[in-house]
Amino acid sequence: DSGVTQTPKHLITATGQRVTLRCSPRSGDLSVYWYQQSLDQGLQFLIQYYNGEERAKGNILERFSAQQFPDLHSELNLSSLELGDSALYFCASSVAGTSGRLVEQFFGPGTRLTVL
Amino acid sequence: AQTVTQSQPEMSVQEAETVTLSCTYDTSESDYYLFWYKQPPSRQMILVIRQEAYKQQNATENRFSVNFQKAAKSFSLKISDSQLGDAAMYFCAYRRSPMNYGGSQGNLIFGKGTKLSVKP
Repeated sequence: DSGVTQTPKHLITATGQRVTLRCSPRSGDLSVYWYQQSLDQGLQFLIQYYNGEERAKGNILERFSAQQFPDLHSELNLSSLELGDSALYFCASSVAGTSGRLVEQFFGPGTRLTVL
Repeated sequence: AQTVTQSQPEMSVQEAETVTLSCTYDTSESDYYLFWYKQPPSRQMILVIRQEAYKQQNATENRFSVNFQKAAKSFSLKISDSQLGDAAMYFCAYRRSPMNYGGSQGNLIFGKGTKLSVKP
């Protein structure tokens, strides 16, 4: 158990719908990362938040958005869903590591999204 | 932009034997970190081993070791005494040094993965 929790574990929805994925980082971790794992694109970085602020963006579609709340949990919002959005969505967290020392990213169990 | 390439989509090894998974990467930076992650059928991402580019010594974790060739930008994973539980997808990943990332901890850049099968 990495200490990172994600809900729900599975989500089945229809095209055009909107869903919200939730992530709770490990206690004390300020950074949250979202990754998408799909058959055709592999594992891709979507977005990073650090202590409530957006830190970096990767290959995140405009239909997707995220935020990190004061209690440090994060939500990934996916709207106008398409069949191609079906994937496993991972959240990972790490401590601040502002000293420059490498710190590990701990992954949650993922949310499996199926768009029908 | 940094890229990671795993040229072996699938590999197979006999139980108790040794197998090496290949990974190459492309970067213009001199300081960075490299990782191997294991993803079993449960889909959980598990860190296997990591290497800091400024360290010349190859990392080792029990039966897992790496061959880090910085000039060649190569980072292979060797699994010794393979066990049935080693069967999984293995992902090579790159991460920028905080020194090149504004002092913060950056995201991981993954290869496409290698599916390892272990035969009893």
